[in-house]
Amino acid sequence: EDQVTQSPEALRLQEGESSSLNCSYTVSGLRGLFWYRQDPGKGPEFLFTLYSAGEEKEKERLKATLTKKESFLHITAPKPEDSATYLCAVQSYSGAGSYQLTFGKGTKLSVIP
Amino acid sequence: GAVVSQHPSWVICKSGTSVKIECRSLDFQATTMFWYRQFPKQSLMLMATSNEGSKATYEQGVEKDKFLINHASLTLSTLTVTSAHPEDSSFYICSATDRNQPQHFGDGTRLSIL
Repeated sequence: EDQVTQSPEALRLQEGESSSLNCSYTVSGLRGLFWYRQDPGKGPEFLFTLYSAGEEKEKERLKATLTKKESFLHITAPKPEDSATYLCAVQSYSGAGSYQLTFGKGTKLSVIP
Repeated sequence: GAVVSQHPSWVICKSGTSVKIECRSLDFQATTMFWYRQFPKQSLMLMATSNEGSKATYEQGVEKDKFLINHASLTLSTLTVTSAHPEDSSFYICSATDRNQPQHFGDGTRLSIL
């Protein structure tokens, strides 16, 4: 059974204070690791997909990295608008030609002005 | 980016009624759509996977007669919660993909059963 564990559960940062969010996973046949951002009362918004260990992707103040056991979402000089819950998910083959995502519980990030 | 529209965003109804939620992919043909349920401070839990033109595949513990899923076209899937009860109150979210891109999510439906 695929498992995804995110830490910390919640993180408070001062504006400009860089940090990292962790996503540890176990999966039978990784077909991609995904990071999403979710704002309160909204659906998840896609950020990144990583497929192989050593891969890195960047978008504005965010950078995602991947190893064989975990992924990190690095936030550089965050701004209050970066406040959200960040979700990590692993994709695996579910049979009958379909792939499915298994999500972690997320890290709630609060950036204080 | 890809847009997925979910409607309604919020519904309140009496116990025993049925509620239909629509999920539309607006700018791509969704070969597969997914339905999730999310409780406060919990992760998204997959309920079912729906491929266009075929029966949905339900996750273990999800009653297929309770949660009816229809994926009749490449742009529309519906979830009907039949004879809803207070324990069915939750945040329901759909997503869509065409296999060439990641799952894109709707903004969810907050369902409250009185």
